[in-house]
This record gives sequence, C-alpha cells and structure tokens, in this order.
Amino acid sequence: KQEVTQIPAALSVPEGENLVLNCSFTDSAIYNLQWFRQDPGKGLTSLLLIQSSQREQTSGRLNASLDKSSGRSTLYIAASQPGDSATYLCAVGAFSGGSNYKLTFGKGTLLTVNP
Amino acid sequence: DTGVSQDPRHKITKRGQNVTFRCDPISEHNRLYWYRQTLGQGPEFLTYFQNEAQLEKSRLLSDRFSAERPKGSFSTLEIQRTEQGDSAMYLCASSLVKGGTVGVGEQYFGPGTRLTVT
Repeated sequence: KQEVTQIPAALSVPEGENLVLNCSFTDSAIYNLQWFRQDPGKGLTSLLLIQSSQREQTSGRLNASLDKSSGRSTLYIAASQPGDSATYLCAVGAFSGGSNYKLTFGKGTLLTVNP
Repeated sequence: DTGVSQDPRHKITKRGQNVTFRCDPISEHNRLYWYRQTLGQGPEFLTYFQNEAQLEKSRLLSDRFSAERPKGSFSTLEIQRTEQGDSAMYLCASSLVKGGTVGVGEQYFGPGTRLTVT
C-alpha cells in the first residue's frame, strides 16, 4: 500500500525567504506526482504535475523535483510571499488492477509566510 | 470554461438522515473522482468513473454510500443514514484520459462540500 509522508508538517518563514517542502513515498512504481495548494476550507489548486519520466517541473517561483528511485519529491518556493500561505499537498498517482489510476495524498505542510 | 463545481458547498444534517451531493466536472473530462478529507488529513480516494462506468471503489465506501454518473457528465454521491463519522469535506475532481492510451491527465478539483453531521 502506497504511503506518502510530508515533512515538515508546519513551517513558518519570513517574507522573501526561499523554502523547500519535502514529500516521500514508499512505492516507487508511480505514474506521476502532483503538488497542490489548499487554502483553509477550500478545494485543491493544482500547482505542478511531474510525470515519472521527468526530473523536475517549473512554474513561476515554484520548482518541483522528482527522484523516483529514492521515493522523494521536493517543492521549492522562491522569494516567498504572504499570499503563499496555505497547506501544500503532495499526491502520488499510480495504477492498480490494470487501468485504475488514483492519487494517494500526504497530510500536507501548513506554510505561513510572515510579512 | 468553468472549472469543477460542487453543490451544496455546506451541508448540516442530523444523524440518520440521507444526503446527496452533486459534482459537475469540466465539460470535456471523461474521468470523475470522489475523495473525502477530514481535518488535518490529506484527501482519501473513494471512487471514480470513466464516463458513466464506476470502475473502482475504495473500502472506505461503505454500503451506505452510493455514487452515480448516469450520463457520463455530472455525478452524485449519496450517503444514507448519516453518522457523525461521515463529517468531512467531500471533494470531486475530474481529468481527461485520451482514448487508446492509459495516459491520465492532471486532476482538477472542485471547491468541495463540507458535511457536518450533528
């Protein structure tokens, strides 16, 4: 059974700091990995999707890397802003029983960026 | 193009009542997923549809839960005889799987339905 762990559970940084969020997973037989952002009481916003054959993806100030063999992904946020404050979720996509694909999520990292 | 929408956004019900939630996916998306998220946890997979066919159900989906996607467009999730443990955020997501491959696209999530069972 796939298990996804996110470290740290919570992080508080001053505005402007660069930061790294970590995600690890137990089964390396993945199809892709997705990072999401969730604001309190809201749904999920997709940030980046990395296919298993890729090493990294970038979008603006965000960069996600994937090391499938070691079961790790990181989300790098450059020059953090108070508007980045949210919970960041890592989700591993994999197939089971043929074409049945689903995401397995970590518990998230709660990020607070202080002005 | 609108994103994934869910209705209602909030639902308060008494234990033992039945509730039904609706999800409208992005129009061209053929896969639709339901997840449940409790406080402090990540979302957990419940079930998914490819067009109108329900292809997988989690063990989390007890006999009191039923989901449908009758015309391959919107979906409903019904919980019968609600229990306090059913209190959670119910999230719907959709994606596009292109024909002839097992390639799956990015999942796009709706705003969720927050269920409180009193």
